Amino acid sequence: GAVVSQHPSRVICKSGTSVKIECRSLDFQATTMFWYRQFPKKSLMLMATSNEGSKATYEQGVEKDKFLINHASLTLSTLTVTSAHPEDSSFYICSARDFRPGGPSGANVLTFGAGSRLTVL
Amino acid sequence: GIQVEQSPPDLILQEGANSTLRCNFSDSVNNLQWFHQNPWGQLINLFYIPSGTKQNGRLSATTVATERYSLLYISSSQTTDSGVYFCAVEEAAGNKLTFGGGTRVLVKP
Repeated sequence: GAVVSQHPSRVICKSGTSVKIECRSLDFQATTMFWYRQFPKKSLMLMATSNEGSKATYEQGVEKDKFLINHASLTLSTLTVTSAHPEDSSFYICSARDFRPGGPSGANVLTFGAGSRLTVL
Repeated sequence: GIQVEQSPPDLILQEGANSTLRCNFSDSVNNLQWFHQNPWGQLINLFYIPSGTKQNGRLSATTVATERYSLLYISSSQTTDSGVYFCAVEEAAGNKLTFGGGTRVLVKP
């Protein structure tokens, strides 16, 4: 099945620094990837849709200058948290869809990475 | 946007018990998935079920799209079933999954 790799799994940084999180589709190409954020004991909230070769689409209330998304290839999307502050500490999860038009049932399934836990001191 | 509500929010089970988790959604969908999030945060896809019924071992799911709800059944629960179960839907006119609030399940030995 489709596999999405996310790195790093855990990162601790000082306030004011920038942190980059990578999301890779390992055995398929993904023109679209999604970035979610999850606070402790809460649900997943969509931050943005990452589109290969074009600008990301951000959800309402998400600062695009704070959370930079780059989708430079069909297998890689990156999320950079710029000038991180303690309130940016969270669990960030990416996902991708191995979508093949006319493909078998279930080809629309969204697969998630293992997540990246960011702690900003 | 579409609203997704899950119930109950918390569920405590004795090992071996059966349970039903519910997901209601407010609009037509072309994708519905059930996930289990383990203690390390990994989301495991359980079912892709925009309609109909599917079974996988002790788990089964039913989605009645016309009535806008889906059910996840856990039979003969085990301690390893503990975790958070999420329902997520994709609107018929959309391209993104919206998650429900989740059901936190604790199975006691």
